[in-house]
Amino acid sequence: RKEVEQDPGPFNVPEGATVAFNCTYSNSASQSFFWYRQDCRKEPKLLMSVYSSGNEDGRFTAQLNRASQYISLLIRDSKLSDSATYLCVVTPSLEYGNKLVFGAGTILRVKS
Amino acid sequence: NAGVTQTPKFQVLKTGQSMTLQCAQDMNHNSMYWYRQDPGMGLRLIYYSASEGTTDKGEVPNGYNVSRLNKREFSLRLESAAPSQTSVYFCASTSNRGSEKLFFGSGTQLSVL
Repeated sequence: RKEVEQDPGPFNVPEGATVAFNCTYSNSASQSFFWYRQDCRKEPKLLMSVYSSGNEDGRFTAQLNRASQYISLLIRDSKLSDSATYLCVVTPSLEYGNKLVFGAGTILRVKS
Repeated sequence: NAGVTQTPKFQVLKTGQSMTLQCAQDMNHNSMYWYRQDPGMGLRLIYYSASEGTTDKGEVPNGYNVSRLNKREFSLRLESAAPSQTSVYFCASTSNRGSEKLFFGSGTQLSVL
C-alpha cells in the first residue's frame, strides 16, 4: 500500500462549482499534512497546510481526519485558474525528519 | 531574488553517459533535496542534505550520487545513465529541518535513450 494515496481524477467541473478531493495516508503516526499545487510542466508550490482543527484560505478549505487517516481539500466557486494538479503531502513521523512524502496528485480541470 | 535555480532544463543522454544536474539557492536555506517525478508516481526523494557537509539517501538513491558543495549548491550526478532514469527532476530547498514549505527549482526533463 502506498504511503499517500490520491484519486488521480481528472475532476472536470464547470466554473463556479464546488469540488472536493480526499487523500489517505497509511502511517497513523504521521505528523504534518499539506496540499501543494502543480501546474502543467511546472514546479510544485505550497497551497496550504492542514491543521487538526481545519483551516480555510479564501475559497480553499483543508481538513484532517486522523481517525480515518485522510485529509481533504475543498475548493468553492472554482475558477479556470484553479485547473492544476493538487498534491497531498505528508510527513510520516518525527523520526522521518523533514522527508516529505508526496501523493501522485489529483488533476482538476475547470471549464467555462 | 532567483530562489532555486536548476540547470539544465532539458537533457537527452544515451545509455551509459554521465551528467550532473546543478542546483543553487540564494535563500540561505539549510536543507536541500533532489526529487524525481514520474507519471502516476508522485515525487520521490532521491537524496537530501539537511545541512552543508551532510547528505542522506532518500527513497530511490540507486544510480545517483550527490554533492553538497557549499550551503548554496547541491548537485545530482548520474554516473551511467539508464533508460529507467528518464524522468523530471526537481531540486528543492527549505529553511530548516521540518519546515513544510519547499521551494522548488523549475525542473529538468531528462530522457535517456
